Amino acid sequence: GIQVEQSPPDLILQEGANSTLRCNFSDSVNNLQWFHQNPWGQLINLFYIPSGTKQNGRLSATTVATERYSLLYISSSQTTDSGVYFCAVAGYGQNFVFGPGTRLSVLP
Amino acid sequence: GAVVSQHPSWVICKSGTSVKIECRSLDFQATTMFWYRQFPKQSLMLMATSNEGSKATYEQGVEKDKFLINHASLTLSTLTVTSAHPEDSSFYICSARGPYGGATYEQYFGPGTRLTVT
Repeated sequence: GIQVEQSPPDLILQEGANSTLRCNFSDSVNNLQWFHQNPWGQLINLFYIPSGTKQNGRLSATTVATERYSLLYISSSQTTDSGVYFCAVAGYGQNFVFGPGTRLSVLP
Repeated sequence: GAVVSQHPSWVICKSGTSVKIECRSLDFQATTMFWYRQFPKQSLMLMATSNEGSKATYEQGVEKDKFLINHASLTLSTLTVTSAHPEDSSFYICSARGPYGGATYEQYFGPGTRLTVT
């Protein structure tokens, strides 16, 4: 099955800093989503991005499907951005495989 | 839009009893629902998927007689943990997805249910 890696595993930022989170996957996918799991456990959809680039406020994401990676950019980070960021990928007709996550802590 | 609810949000039960967790898609029709399990500081592991009116498909290693899943309608799925034991204690998260190609084809997640078996 598809293998998913995320880096870095942990990230500590000062409020206002920018960051880039990476998701590598081992095979072709036709579905990729980024999620933020807040400290209470709720997963929040950030982007549905099997290819291309999207932006939503301070967040943006880029997926280069041919090179099997996706990037999540967080600009001007805030303490409310803290939590775990997961990417999940799926091949055609397959279920999501979740990466191990990047644990982000934004300090005031 | 695309809100998924779960109930209860947390539950404590005694070993040997059964617990039912409900998952509802509040504002869209979920043709497929998913159940995940998450241990502390770990990623989500898929337990099973279900399509409305069909039997659930379980992932390898998940006991279907222990984790009963019923997807009775396009807005409701239930997970029943039967004869629960302390090792079943975990965070259970459901997810719902609308029809292929539609506006709700992404997976949307419920807030999770924290189960503690004593």
